[in-house]
Amino acid sequence: DTAVSQTPKYLVTQMGNDKSIKCEQNLGHDTMYWYKQDSKKFLKIMFSYNNKELIINETVPNRFSPKSPDKAHLNLHINSLELGDSAVYFCASSQDLQQATQYFGPGTRLLVL
Amino acid sequence: QKEVEQNSGPLSVPEGAIASLNCTYSDRGSQSFFWYRQYSGKSPELIMFIYSNGDKEDGRFTAQLNKASQYVSLLIRDSQPSDSATYLCAVNTGAGSYQLTFGKGTKLSVIP
Repeated sequence: DTAVSQTPKYLVTQMGNDKSIKCEQNLGHDTMYWYKQDSKKFLKIMFSYNNKELIINETVPNRFSPKSPDKAHLNLHINSLELGDSAVYFCASSQDLQQATQYFGPGTRLLVL
Repeated sequence: QKEVEQNSGPLSVPEGAIASLNCTYSDRGSQSFFWYRQYSGKSPELIMFIYSNGDKEDGRFTAQLNKASQYVSLLIRDSQPSDSATYLCAVNTGAGSYQLTFGKGTKLSVIP
């Protein structure tokens, strides 16, 4: 069974569209994260949630809105997509805020045309 | 701005040699340090973490930490072609929680 899963794996869309990426973890973890990895492979945290509560909200445009319906799921909705949003988005989870090990999902490759 | 710096490489070593990957960080308050391995097209995978000054060994991997110099390194002994990947250094820069700041990674190529 996959520990951290993301859907879709690939997403190709036009500028201006709205899209969502879903993440689920079956590890029983309390904390989940969204990271963005750009074309230069720079991995940067965007958001983290602990027990459905937003903990970290880095400097990310308002067009990005995370939603955590329960602690096993953290979805990312992106409005009005721009060319610069093209990247790989990784979801990750950790047991709780004090645990070092973060488990990453397989990534969602987003290409905005 | 809290920064984590790594040489982007590529670092090429022959099979069987020791690969040495280095990382420096700017936040003196950082308490924990991580090395992730990322194969091309795959997600990052944790190799090791270290909290205390000195060395920590796990199999062929040794992490070294020097907080005074704000320096952390990863040594890979008996390098194998399967070790070829990008190695990401990550530093805990969050107050009271494990918010990680990643370096840009060093690409390692182990030549058979």
